[in-house]
Amino acid sequence: AQKITQTQPGMFVQEKEAVTLDCTYDTSDPSYGLFWYKQPSSGEMIFLIYQGSYDQQNATEGRYSLNFQKARKSANLVISASQLGDSAMYFCAMREGWGAQKLVFGQGTRLTINP
Amino acid sequence: GAVVSQHPSRVICKSGTSVKIECRSLDFQATTMFWYRQFPKQSLMLMATSNEGSKATYEQGVEKDKFLINHASLTLSTLTVTSAHPEDSSFYICSASPLAGGPGEQYFGPGTRLTVT
Repeated sequence: AQKITQTQPGMFVQEKEAVTLDCTYDTSDPSYGLFWYKQPSSGEMIFLIYQGSYDQQNATEGRYSLNFQKARKSANLVISASQLGDSAMYFCAMREGWGAQKLVFGQGTRLTINP
Repeated sequence: GAVVSQHPSRVICKSGTSVKIECRSLDFQATTMFWYRQFPKQSLMLMATSNEGSKATYEQGVEKDKFLINHASLTLSTLTVTSAHPEDSSFYICSASPLAGGPGEQYFGPGTRLTVT
Protein backbone atom coordinates (compact mmCIF):
# COMPACT_ATOMS: atom_id res chain seq x y z
CA ALA A 1 0.00 0.00 0.00
CA GLN A 2 1.14 3.51 -0.71
CA LYS A 3 2.35 5.26 2.41
CA ILE A 4 1.92 8.73 0.94
CA THR A 5 -0.63 9.57 -1.74
CA GLN A 6 -0.79 12.78 -3.70
CA THR A 7 -3.75 12.53 -6.03
CA GLN A 8 -3.17 15.70 -8.05
CA PRO A 9 -0.50 15.20 -10.72
CA GLY A 10 -0.88 18.81 -11.83
CA MET A 11 -2.53 21.98 -10.60
CA PHE A 12 -3.00 25.29 -12.41
CA VAL A 13 -3.76 28.36 -10.36
CA GLN A 14 -4.06 32.06 -11.08
CA GLU A 15 -1.47 34.30 -9.45
CA LYS A 16 -2.51 35.68 -6.05
CA GLU A 17 -5.05 32.94 -5.48
CA ALA A 18 -4.72 30.43 -2.66
CA VAL A 19 -4.03 26.81 -3.56
CA THR A 20 -4.40 23.55 -1.65
CA LEU A 21 -2.23 20.56 -2.48
CA ASP A 22 -3.58 17.27 -1.21
CA CYS A 23 -1.69 14.61 0.71
CA THR A 24 -3.01 11.54 2.47
CA TYR A 25 -0.89 9.10 4.42
CA ASP A 26 -1.10 5.60 5.78
CA THR A 27 0.52 4.48 9.00
CA SER A 28 -0.38 2.56 12.12
CA ASP A 29 2.42 4.10 14.15
CA PRO A 30 1.16 6.77 16.57
CA SER A 31 4.39 8.74 16.22
CA TYR A 32 5.10 10.15 12.80
CA GLY A 33 5.97 13.38 11.06
CA LEU A 34 4.81 14.93 7.83
CA PHE A 35 6.89 17.16 5.59
CA TRP A 36 6.34 19.23 2.49
CA TYR A 37 9.13 19.98 0.06
CA LYS A 38 9.29 22.17 -3.03
CA GLN A 39 11.41 21.12 -5.99
CA PRO A 40 11.91 23.79 -8.66
CA SER A 41 13.17 22.89 -12.11
CA SER A 42 16.76 23.25 -10.89
CA GLY A 43 16.25 20.09 -8.84
CA GLU A 44 17.08 21.07 -5.28
CA MET A 45 14.66 20.02 -2.55
CA ILE A 46 13.50 22.95 -0.46
CA PHE A 47 11.93 22.23 2.94
CA LEU A 48 8.67 24.11 3.45
CA ILE A 49 6.85 22.91 6.54
CA TYR A 50 6.67 20.14 9.13
CA GLN A 51 3.83 18.68 11.21
CA GLY A 52 4.36 16.19 14.00
CA SER A 53 1.63 13.68 14.80
CA TYR A 54 1.33 14.94 18.35
CA ASP A 55 1.25 18.61 17.43
CA GLN A 56 -2.03 20.13 18.56
CA GLN A 57 -2.03 23.01 16.14
CA ASN A 58 -1.63 23.15 12.40
CA ALA A 59 1.84 24.18 11.33
CA THR A 60 2.34 27.52 9.59
CA GLU A 61 5.41 29.04 7.93
CA GLY A 62 4.80 32.37 6.25
CA ARG A 63 2.51 31.80 3.25
CA TYR A 64 2.51 28.05 3.88
CA SER A 65 0.17 26.28 6.24
CA LEU A 66 -0.57 22.64 6.76
CA ASN A 67 -4.18 21.53 7.15
CA PHE A 68 -3.64 18.51 9.38
CA GLN A 69 -6.69 16.28 9.77
CA LYS A 70 -5.48 13.35 11.81
CA ALA A 71 -8.67 11.29 11.73
CA ARG A 72 -8.75 11.52 7.95
CA LYS A 73 -4.98 10.98 7.71
CA SER A 74 -4.56 14.00 5.54
CA ALA A 75 -1.95 16.73 5.58
CA ASN A 76 -2.79 19.19 2.85
CA LEU A 77 -0.50 22.09 2.05
CA VAL A 78 -2.13 25.48 1.66
CA ILE A 79 -0.23 28.25 -0.13
CA SER A 80 -1.83 31.64 0.29
CA ALA A 81 -1.47 34.48 -2.22
CA SER A 82 0.37 32.38 -4.79
CA GLN A 83 3.27 33.87 -6.72
CA LEU A 84 4.83 33.02 -10.07
CA GLY A 85 7.88 31.69 -8.20
CA ASP A 86 5.72 29.07 -6.54
CA SER A 87 5.58 27.11 -9.80
CA ALA A 88 7.40 23.85 -9.00
CA MET A 89 6.93 20.22 -8.02
CA TYR A 90 5.67 19.74 -4.47
CA PHE A 91 6.29 16.57 -2.51
CA CYS A 92 4.66 15.36 0.67
CA ALA A 93 6.79 13.04 2.80
CA MET A 94 6.46 11.09 6.03
CA ARG A 95 8.75 9.68 8.67
CA GLU A 96 7.29 6.80 10.63
CA GLY A 97 8.12 5.98 14.20
CA TRP A 98 9.70 7.98 16.99
CA GLY A 99 13.31 8.82 16.18
CA ALA A 100 13.01 7.53 12.63
CA GLN A 101 15.12 9.40 10.12
CA LYS A 102 13.96 7.77 6.89
CA LEU A 103 11.47 9.66 4.72
CA VAL A 104 8.95 8.22 2.29
CA PHE A 105 7.83 10.55 -0.48
CA GLY A 106 4.59 10.89 -2.38
CA GLN A 107 4.45 11.08 -6.15
CA GLY A 108 4.35 14.83 -6.19
CA THR A 109 2.12 17.54 -7.61
CA ARG A 110 3.28 19.92 -10.31
CA LEU A 111 1.96 23.38 -9.52
CA THR A 112 1.83 26.01 -12.23
CA ILE A 113 0.98 29.58 -11.36
CA ASN A 114 -0.46 31.57 -14.24
CA PRO A 115 0.01 35.35 -14.46
CA GLY B 1 23.37 27.13 7.94
CA ALA B 2 22.63 23.46 7.15
CA VAL B 3 24.14 23.41 3.67
CA VAL B 4 24.75 20.18 1.79
CA SER B 5 26.84 20.10 -1.36
CA GLN B 6 27.11 17.48 -4.07
CA HIS B 7 29.85 17.03 -6.58
CA PRO B 8 29.72 16.82 -9.51
CA SER B 9 26.43 18.48 -10.40
CA ARG B 10 26.43 16.84 -13.81
CA VAL B 11 28.40 13.95 -15.21
CA ILE B 12 28.38 12.13 -18.51
CA CYS B 13 30.19 8.83 -18.67
CA LYS B 14 30.56 5.93 -21.03
CA SER B 15 28.85 2.63 -20.44
CA GLY B 16 30.99 0.30 -18.34
CA THR B 17 32.84 2.99 -16.42
CA SER B 18 32.40 3.89 -12.76
CA VAL B 19 31.30 7.24 -11.42
CA LYS B 20 31.74 8.64 -7.92
CA ILE B 21 29.39 11.23 -6.45
CA GLU B 22 30.31 13.10 -3.28
CA CYS B 23 27.90 14.46 -0.69
CA ARG B 24 29.20 16.85 1.95
CA SER B 25 27.56 18.58 4.87
CA LEU B 26 29.35 21.91 4.90
CA ASP B 27 28.45 23.44 8.22
CA PHE B 28 27.20 20.60 10.37
CA GLN B 29 28.04 17.03 11.27
CA ALA B 30 25.81 14.27 10.00
CA THR B 31 25.79 10.77 11.42
CA THR B 32 23.30 9.71 8.80
CA MET B 33 23.16 10.49 5.11
CA PHE B 34 20.65 9.27 2.60
CA TRP B 35 20.94 8.60 -1.13
CA TYR B 36 17.91 8.99 -3.38
CA ARG B 37 17.30 8.41 -7.03
CA GLN B 38 14.79 10.36 -9.08
CA PHE B 39 13.68 9.50 -12.60
CA PRO B 40 12.17 12.26 -14.75
CA LYS B 41 8.74 13.37 -13.58
CA GLN B 42 8.83 10.88 -10.73
CA SER B 43 9.28 10.95 -6.99
CA LEU B 44 12.40 10.45 -4.93
CA MET B 45 13.13 6.82 -4.19
CA LEU B 46 15.38 6.07 -1.26
CA MET B 47 18.29 3.89 -2.31
CA ALA B 48 20.23 3.56 0.91
CA THR B 49 20.89 4.94 4.36
CA SER B 50 24.49 5.61 5.17
CA ASN B 51 25.82 5.81 8.72
CA GLU B 52 29.28 7.10 9.51
CA GLY B 53 31.70 4.31 10.18
CA SER B 54 29.36 1.44 9.34
CA LYS B 55 27.95 -0.33 6.33
CA ALA B 56 25.12 1.29 4.45
CA THR B 57 21.61 -0.10 4.64
CA TYR B 58 20.16 -0.63 1.18
CA GLU B 59 16.49 -0.55 0.28
CA GLN B 60 14.90 -3.58 -1.27
CA GLY B 61 15.78 -3.97 -4.93
CA VAL B 62 18.90 -1.80 -4.81
CA GLU B 63 22.06 -3.67 -5.76
CA LYS B 64 24.69 -2.94 -3.13
CA ASP B 65 27.51 -4.16 -5.37
CA LYS B 66 26.48 -1.75 -8.08
CA PHE B 67 25.87 1.27 -5.88
CA LEU B 68 28.78 1.41 -3.45
CA ILE B 69 28.34 3.77 -0.54
CA ASN B 70 31.07 4.95 1.78
CA HIS B 71 30.51 7.23 4.74
CA ALA B 72 34.04 7.90 5.85
CA SER B 73 33.48 10.91 8.07
CA LEU B 74 30.74 12.91 9.74
CA THR B 75 30.67 15.29 6.79
CA LEU B 76 31.23 13.13 3.73
CA SER B 77 29.44 10.26 2.03
CA THR B 78 30.18 8.97 -1.45
CA LEU B 79 28.10 6.98 -3.89
CA THR B 80 29.95 5.06 -6.60
CA VAL B 81 27.95 3.74 -9.52
CA THR B 82 30.03 0.83 -10.76
CA SER B 83 30.00 -0.40 -14.36
CA ALA B 84 27.39 2.15 -15.25
CA HIS B 85 24.81 1.43 -17.94
CA PRO B 86 22.36 3.73 -19.71
CA GLU B 87 19.55 2.60 -17.39
CA ASP B 88 21.53 4.06 -14.48
CA SER B 89 21.06 7.52 -15.97
CA SER B 90 19.11 9.46 -13.40
CA PHE B 91 19.12 12.33 -10.93
CA TYR B 92 20.85 11.32 -7.70
CA ILE B 93 20.17 13.37 -4.57
CA CYS B 94 21.74 13.03 -1.16
CA SER B 95 20.52 14.35 2.16
CA ALA B 96 22.08 14.62 5.58
CA SER B 97 20.62 14.46 9.08
CA PRO B 98 22.31 16.69 11.64
CA LEU B 99 23.87 15.08 14.69
CA ALA B 100 21.46 16.85 17.03
CA GLY B 101 18.58 17.19 14.62
CA GLY B 102 14.94 16.29 15.10
CA PRO B 103 13.38 13.05 13.83
CA GLY B 104 13.27 13.10 10.04
CA GLU B 105 15.18 16.36 9.81
CA GLN B 106 17.16 16.20 6.58
CA TYR B 107 18.93 18.73 4.42
CA PHE B 108 19.21 17.98 0.75
CA GLY B 109 22.04 18.45 -1.66
CA PRO B 110 21.42 20.06 -5.05
CA GLY B 111 21.56 16.72 -6.86
CA THR B 112 23.78 15.11 -9.49
CA ARG B 113 22.52 14.40 -12.97
CA LEU B 114 24.16 11.27 -14.34
CA THR B 115 24.00 10.45 -18.02
CA VAL B 116 25.47 7.17 -19.20
CA THR B 117 26.08 6.93 -22.93
